[in-house]
Amino acid sequence: DQQVKQNSPSLSVQEGRISILNCDYTNSMFDYFLWYKKYPAEGPTFLISISSIKDKNEDGRFTVFLNKSAKHLSLHIVPSQPGDSAVYFCAVYHRDDKIIFGKGTRLHILP
Amino acid sequence: ETGVTQSPTHLIKTRGQQVTLRCSSQSGHNTVSWYQQALGQGPQFIFQYYREEENGRGNFPPRFSGLQFPNYSSELNVNALELDDSALYLCASSRSVNTEAFFGQGTRLTVV
Repeated sequence: DQQVKQNSPSLSVQEGRISILNCDYTNSMFDYFLWYKKYPAEGPTFLISISSIKDKNEDGRFTVFLNKSAKHLSLHIVPSQPGDSAVYFCAVYHRDDKIIFGKGTRLHILP
Repeated sequence: ETGVTQSPTHLIKTRGQQVTLRCSSQSGHNTVSWYQQALGQGPQFIFQYYREEENGRGNFPPRFSGLQFPNYSSELNVNALELDDSALYLCASSRSVNTEAFFGQGTRLTVV
């Protein structure tokens, strides 16, 4: 049973607009969340994280929002750029220090 | 500072064979984790090594085993390969447990 769910396998967004990637999780005990970006033939690259004591974390064009009551987080990219086209993985740190990943969302930035 | 490097980048093996994948962790990192990413899935945790000791294991059979060396590099060994073992194997290193993990480019294993 999936503990981290990314329900949109793909998303297309016009260049310059906002990209919103969504993620749901099942365990209310999760307390540290991450987003990774992956290009083909490369390993995932850490993008941004958020602790459960916060509801928002911002780093340049990337903002992650956490709604603990809904067990939902989202990644906003503003403005979207062509180089943002990649697969984005939502992930959480679990006990035993393992990272649990969602299945990923493929983001296409359209010219 | 060098990043996480994995070797080989691609590998083809026959069912029943054994394989060893290698990972050099990023400088200053003492924790290495291995993940298996099947097609269309997110990476799945295999196990983690911290200072040469196994520090957590995911839901993988015992034929998946590992080692970490004094220089914190690591190996993943898979015995009795099965067709379903075909996947991208990712190594990630971190400065310590429960800190951001940095991934290598992965080893693409194909079992035929």
